Formats: sequence, structure tokens, C-alpha cells
Amino acid sequence: DQQVKQNSPSLSVQEGRISILNCDYTNSMFDYFLWYKKYPAEGPTFLISISSIKDKNEDGRFTVFLNKSAKHLSLHIVPSQPGDSAVYFCAAKGGGADGLTFGKGTHLIIQP
Amino acid sequence: DGGITQSPKYLFRKEGQNVTLSCEQNLNHDAMYWYRQDPGQGLRLIYYSQIVNDFQKGDIAEGYSVSREKKESFPLTVTSAQKNPTAFYLCASSRTGEWETQYFGPGTRLLVL
Repeated sequence: DQQVKQNSPSLSVQEGRISILNCDYTNSMFDYFLWYKKYPAEGPTFLISISSIKDKNEDGRFTVFLNKSAKHLSLHIVPSQPGDSAVYFCAAKGGGADGLTFGKGTHLIIQP
Repeated sequence: DGGITQSPKYLFRKEGQNVTLSCEQNLNHDAMYWYRQDPGQGLRLIYYSQIVNDFQKGDIAEGYSVSREKKESFPLTVTSAQKNPTAFYLCASSRTGEWETQYFGPGTRLLVL
């Protein structure tokens, strides 16, 4: 049973526009959420995170929004750039587990 | 340069053979992790270690074994009991209490001959 779900396997966005990547979770014990970016044949790199006590965290072009009641978080990238083309993983921690629980990832493609 | 290295980049396993994937970090991190990624799947936790000489099973530990004799090293052995070993394996590390910022290695792709 997937506790962290990324329902869009891929997303295509025009350069300069906003990219919105979505993530849903089922475990109400999760208290920390992260986004990782992964290029082919490389390990994921940490992008941005948010604690469950917040509903928004911003870092440059990247903003993560958390809606606890809906068990939903989203990553906004604005403006989107060609270098943003990658697979983005949503991850969550909490509920007694020490590792991270990852979603399946969304392949973001930025078109010129 | 500090970082995590994984070797080899590609590894081939024959039926019934045990293979060991290397993971080394010079970041002075106490915690280390092994994840497995299958096509179209998220990363799944195999084993993790918070400190030398101690490790815990993750979500999919069956068919795998680890050791943590040194802080810098956390090798993963894929045993013959793992019936579906073909995957991309990622090692990560983090500072104690800073698990949210896990640094990942480049990964090892394991293929079965």
C-alpha cells in the first residue's frame, strides 16, 4: 500500500511558466515532507522540505505548500527553466519509521 | 571534496551468487541508508544504520544483509535469497538528527545474468 502517492508519472511545462508537482499521503503520522530532484544515473538531491507545523516554505524559485487536512502537498517551480527537467520525488517521514517513504516520482519536462 | 561514493556503477550477478555493493562516505555522517529503486517506483528503504555496529531493517530487508564496522562504510550484500535483485541501488547518509537532509550516492545498477 503506497503511503506517498505521486499520481502524475510525467508533466510537461513550457519554459518560463509555473510547474506544479503534486503529492498525496495517507499516513497521518507523517510530520515532515521533502522533495528530491533526480537526474538520470545520479542519486537524488535534496530540494526543499516542510514541517507539518507549517503550510508553506519558500526557497528561491521553489515553494512547497502543505494542506494537512487534505493530506496533500505540492511543489511549485516558477519560472520553470530547462535545467529543471528531472524526476521529482516526494518523500515523507514520521510514524515511527527512521527512513524516508518515497513516492514513485514525477518526470518533469520543461519545453523551450 | 566530501561526498558519498558507490561502486561499482554496474554489477552483474549470476544465479545463486551473493554480491556486495560498496558505499563509502567522508562526510563524517553517523547515519547511513540503503534504498532500492525499481522502474516506475519510488525509493524503498532496505536497511539503515544510525551508528557504527548497529543497523535496522527497513521495509524490504528480506534477501539483503549489511554491516557497519566503520563509520565511513556501509556495504550491502544481495544474497541468493533475493529473488528479484535487478534494480538501481542508492546509498545515502545524514548527520544524526538531520535525517531530512540525506545525501545520496550516484547509485549502483545490479543486473542478473
